[in-house]
Amino acid sequence: DAGITQSPRYKITETGRQVTLMCHQTWSHSYMFWYRQDLGHGLRLIYYSAAADITDKGEVPDGYVVSRSKTENFPLTLESATRSQTSVYFCASQPGDTEAFFGQGTRLTVV
Amino acid sequence: KNEVEQSPQNLTAQEGEFITINCSYSVGISALHWLQQHPGGGIVSLFMLSSGKKKHGRLIATINIQEKHSSLHITASHPRDSAVYICAVATDKLIFGTGTRLQVFP
Repeated sequence: DAGITQSPRYKITETGRQVTLMCHQTWSHSYMFWYRQDLGHGLRLIYYSAAADITDKGEVPDGYVVSRSKTENFPLTLESATRSQTSVYFCASQPGDTEAFFGQGTRLTVV
Repeated sequence: KNEVEQSPQNLTAQEGEFITINCSYSVGISALHWLQQHPGGGIVSLFMLSSGKKKHGRLIATINIQEKHSSLHITASHPRDSAVYICAVATDKLIFGTGTRLQVFP
């Protein structure tokens, strides 16, 4: 199916564990983004990528790692999950300076 | 002070009412996005605009660059319009407002 998909949709993990959230887009958009959404905050940028093998930090990058070896995939890894990383995570892609396309989100709970 | 402010934070309406959601920003932008998020759902882009006005069905978005202000209007509102509406401004990245929660009752 065409579009942008995130997996898993829901994840519960324990403090200290490593967890990876996957994001896959079928359009070959240049730009990809990871955001987190928390009550009382707007969406906040964690990391973004302008192209394969190019990544940059966003507003709240601490505790996260990304990679982009292929244009269509942009996984987000929490190296050692903490309770403060409990959130809803959204991946998005953009072909350029145009509208953004968002995934369905991943609800992550760290216990 | 947040760089993107939306008002109101919460809005209830009766079916058929005309609805306006406002967005003010304090930074220079290249474009402004309006997004829709249904409960438990993903985020959908409604509009991207850098000047003037855009219309799609019952939705109208306007922007005044000089006043750093945008509005999203919904004409003849319907319960299925119930959602969170998010304004985001494009600088070197997207900066998001905290959203306006709209509930439309039959």
